[in-house]
Amino acid sequence: KAGVTQTPRYLIKTRGQQVTLSCSPISGHRSVSWYQQTPGQGLQFLFEYFSETQRNKGNFPGRFSGRQFSNSRSEMNVSTLELGDSALYLCASSLAPYYGYTFGSGTRLTVV
Amino acid sequence: GESVGLHLPTLSVQEGDNSIINCAYSNSASDYFIWYKQESGKGPQFIIDIRSNMDKRQGQRVTVLLNKTVKHLSLQIAATQPGDSAVYFCADLAQGAQKLVFGQGTRLTINP
Repeated sequence: KAGVTQTPRYLIKTRGQQVTLSCSPISGHRSVSWYQQTPGQGLQFLFEYFSETQRNKGNFPGRFSGRQFSNSRSEMNVSTLELGDSALYLCASSLAPYYGYTFGSGTRLTVV
Repeated sequence: GESVGLHLPTLSVQEGDNSIINCAYSNSASDYFIWYKQESGKGPQFIIDIRSNMDKRQGQRVTVLLNKTVKHLSLQIAATQPGDSAVYFCADLAQGAQKLVFGQGTRLTINP
């Protein structure tokens, strides 16, 4: 079966712009979570969605937002991009808690 | 606060030897643990998981040990192969939290 699909794979944006990243979970998985990975901070939790509802949010500024659609696909948006937002953004889907979290290959965002 | 840490940032082993990667966690509410492998340019790949009601779980060439008394987790890889070269992360999930907390990772290097 298909894994977690993230698009685009690479993105270059200018400071001040906004960006939208997409994540399609494994079929049947209703939980989608997002993580930011940087060399300095490692993997940091952004937010988690289940059945279109955000259940948990990490310690990130309000410029970071997300949503989930009725087909479980999710998007995250970052507005007013800063250089420090350059990172690998990873999406993970899960059938249910305690049943594993499968990650996509990520979107590499570079802010210049 | 809650955190998951790894004892060593790098580990170098001879091909064919067994590898042991360690992890300490601090959240006493953590009840689910996952080990991931991440290769360059890819997202984290699920290796094995364990719930807090277990102290050992085995997979193909891998074993995870959980010591809840000292809040310690380890991943053992038997007969390490060149393809095992990667960064390994432990992650924990606290009941009801819906988010994984990751350690900083251990880079495993295999010497021929």
